[in-house]
Amino acid sequence: KQEVTQIPAALSVPEGENLVLNCSFTDSAIYNLQWFRQDPGKGLTSLLLIQSSQREQTSGRLNASLDKSSGRSTLYIAASQPGDSATYLCAVLNAGNMLTFGGGTRLMVKP
Amino acid sequence: DTAVSQTPKYLVTQMGNDKSIKCEQNLGHDTMYWYKQDSKKFLKIMFSYNNKELIINETVPNRFSPKSPDKAHLNLHINSLELGDSAVYFCASSHFSREDEQFFGPGTRLTVL
Repeated sequence: KQEVTQIPAALSVPEGENLVLNCSFTDSAIYNLQWFRQDPGKGLTSLLLIQSSQREQTSGRLNASLDKSSGRSTLYIAASQPGDSATYLCAVLNAGNMLTFGGGTRLMVKP
Repeated sequence: DTAVSQTPKYLVTQMGNDKSIKCEQNLGHDTMYWYKQDSKKFLKIMFSYNNKELIINETVPNRFSPKSPDKAHLNLHINSLELGDSAVYFCASSHFSREDEQFFGPGTRLTVL
């Protein structure tokens, strides 16, 4: 059974810092990995999708890497801004097109 | 031009009632899903459904049933509501391809009293 863990559970940084969020999964037989952002009381916004054959994806200040064999992904956020404050969720796609989610990292970027 | 929409946004009801949550997507996707986010904010898949196949997470009670009138809709029916059903329910959709990302609706907050 797939299990996804995100570390740290919460993170508070001053504006402008570069930061790394970590995601690990127990079963490396995944089809893809998706990073989402969730604002309080809101739905999920897809940030980046990495296929199982890819090593990384970039979108603006965000860069996500995937090491399938070791069961790890990282989300790198450059030059963080207060508007980046949200919960970041990592999810892996398994058989049946079902996503298994991590518990999330709650990020606070202070002005 | 909302991609995945859900109604209602909030639902408050009594234990024992039967209720439904509606979901619609206008992305032309052929697969839809329901997820549950509990009070600890942990998201879990409940169902995956396309024209050919319904896949059910084995932990989901049979009081929950998805109904799809057409490819653009997947409604969630819940019978005999219990206190533990209180959560936020998210609908999502994608192409039935393992390379495609899933798009999520805004969520429905269900409170069972």
